[in-house]
Amino acid sequence: AQSVTQLGSHVSVSEGALVLLRCNYSSSVPPYLFWYVQYPNQGLQLLLKYTSAATLVKGINGFEAEFKKSETSFHLTKPSAHMSDAAEYFCAVSDGGGADGLTFGKGTHLIIQP
Amino acid sequence: NAGVTQTPKFRILKIGQSMTLQCAQDMNHNYMYWYRQDPGMGLKLIYYSVGAGITDKGEVPNGYNVSRSTTEDFPLRLELAAPSQTSVYFCASSRAEGGSQPQHFGDGTRLSIL
Repeated sequence: AQSVTQLGSHVSVSEGALVLLRCNYSSSVPPYLFWYVQYPNQGLQLLLKYTSAATLVKGINGFEAEFKKSETSFHLTKPSAHMSDAAEYFCAVSDGGGADGLTFGKGTHLIIQP
Repeated sequence: NAGVTQTPKFRILKIGQSMTLQCAQDMNHNYMYWYRQDPGMGLKLIYYSVGAGITDKGEVPNGYNVSRSTTEDFPLRLELAAPSQTSVYFCASSRAEGGSQPQHFGDGTRLSIL
């Protein structure tokens, strides 16, 4: 069975500072990995995905993530935080075996301090 | 450019009542999903479907039923509402091709059982 662990239910950074949101996964097969963002009272929007091509994946809004197989990690980063980045972020994994949905982490609430 | 549309957006039910949450997508996606989101718990898969006439249980199916008579629609039925079903419900869809395709989410239905 696959699982996702997101370290830190809340992360607070100053505007302009580096954003680092951590995600570790477990999967018995090479996984597909996703980061989604959720703004208040909205659904989830795809930020980026890893599907076994380049290990450094660039997404929307200046975010990127690096797949590290040896560390089973897929951490999300952004060099300079903006107030509009305040939201809930979810890491998710699929083992690619079929259509049986994504396994999500519990989410990290990103707070941007002015 | 509708994507995934969920209705209603909000609903309050009494214990023991029943209702159907509607979900429709206009992207001709074969795969559709229902998740529930509880605070601090991420998203849990309730049911999924790989095409019209085919559905299967996810991680938390008890108390729910689904049907898929067309490619576009995937309604979720609550037969005897219980307080434990108070949650935010998200419908999602994706193209086929296993788990490598990102899922597209609706804006959610916020359901309270009192």
